[in-house]
Amino acid sequence: GENVEQHPSTLSVQEGDSAVIKCTYSDSASNYFPWYKQELGKRPQLIIDIRSNVGEKKDQRIAVTLNKTAKHFSLHITETQPEDSAVYFCAASIIQGAQKLVFGQGTRLTINP
Amino acid sequence: DVKVTQSSRYLVKRTGEKVFLECVQDMDHENMFWYRQDPGLGLRLIYFSYDVKMKEKGDIPEGYSVSREKKERFSLILESASTNQTSMYLCASSSFGGGTANYGYTFGSGTRLTVV
Repeated sequence: GENVEQHPSTLSVQEGDSAVIKCTYSDSASNYFPWYKQELGKRPQLIIDIRSNVGEKKDQRIAVTLNKTAKHFSLHITETQPEDSAVYFCAASIIQGAQKLVFGQGTRLTINP
Repeated sequence: DVKVTQSSRYLVKRTGEKVFLECVQDMDHENMFWYRQDPGLGLRLIYFSYDVKMKEKGDIPEGYSVSREKKERFSLILESASTNQTSMYLCASSSFGGGTANYGYTFGSGTRLTVV
């Protein structure tokens, strides 16, 4: 089945710097790759996603890139702010009756003022 | 505008008890999922359902069962709770259909279950 590996597990950056989180997946049939942000004590929220027919997608300070050949995708956050501190999860989708998501292990991002 | 509601935020149960975790969504989604979240392990899929009365095992179904009698409700059952089932449980729902599938999940707020 699908396996998603996420790195690093923790990341600390200075406010204003960029942060990059990387994920690899194993199933070449996966076609949808969302990223979720989970603030302390809150539910995971979708922040950006990308489909397999697109190589890059941007939304203000957040971007995601996808390399289907290498089976990896990355989240890029520029001009980081304290409110970006959270746990981030990547995921890859496979179809098994429903379009289900397999999640990475999570990255705890801390923005230092 | 809460769209996925989990019945309890915190639960404490004793070893051997039968535990029910309830999840209700009001978005008419076909798919519903139960995950458990543990530090360093991410979100692991326990069971999911893509239709009423349908259920599929996820990656870690042992010790759990589920019930989906109505489209909006998906219940997770711990038949005999054990201490290694102490965790955060997250319910999610998604829609799949039409010309442009929306694969995004909407999560509930989670239930933190402690088994003592």
